[in-house]
Amino acid sequence: AQSVTQPDIHITVSEGASLELRCNYSYGATPYLFWYVQSPGQGLQLLLKYFSGDTLVQGIKGFEAEFKRSQSSFNLRKPSVHWSDAAEYFCAVGNAGNMLTFGGGTRLMVKP
Amino acid sequence: GAGVSQSPSNKVTEKGKDVELRCDPISGHTALYWYRQSLGQGLEFLIYFQGNSAPDKSGLPSDRFSAERTGGSVSTLTIQRTQQEDSAVYLCASSLQGGGSETQYFGPGTRLLVL
Repeated sequence: AQSVTQPDIHITVSEGASLELRCNYSYGATPYLFWYVQSPGQGLQLLLKYFSGDTLVQGIKGFEAEFKRSQSSFNLRKPSVHWSDAAEYFCAVGNAGNMLTFGGGTRLMVKP
Repeated sequence: GAGVSQSPSNKVTEKGKDVELRCDPISGHTALYWYRQSLGQGLEFLIYFQGNSAPDKSGLPSDRFSAERTGGSVSTLTIQRTQQEDSAVYLCASSLQGGGSETQYFGPGTRLLVL
């Protein structure tokens, strides 16, 4: 069975600092990997996804993620965080079927 | 264009009552998904519809939960005899054709509170 682990439940960074959110997955084949963001009271918005090709993926809002097969990881990064980035971030893996399996989420707080 | 819409936004009900939650997917999307987001369990897959195929119900937690999709568009998730542990945010998503690599577009959710 597939699974996703986000080791950090909460992260606080200062505005302008760099950010890295960790994601580790367990899946038997080449995974389809996603990062979604959820602002309070909102649905989930896709930041980026990986399913083949270049292992460094660029997304919206200045985010990027790197797929590392050897580490079963798909960490999300941003070089300079803005106050508006405060939200909850979810890593997910999709399979050849159709469901997404989500990690537990990381809540990001941004200090002024 | 219009995204995925869900109604109601919030629903408060009494234990034992039935509730219906509605989802309108993005026009032209043939795949539709329901997920549940709760404090204890995180985000869980419930059910998946694709075109005229039989739905994948593997995530439904009990036989009190059912869903249908009429005319390949609007979907209704029904919870019978609600229990307090059913309190959660129910999220609907749609994608163009289904399949693991497709982007799923999520609605804002229905927040259900069972008293």
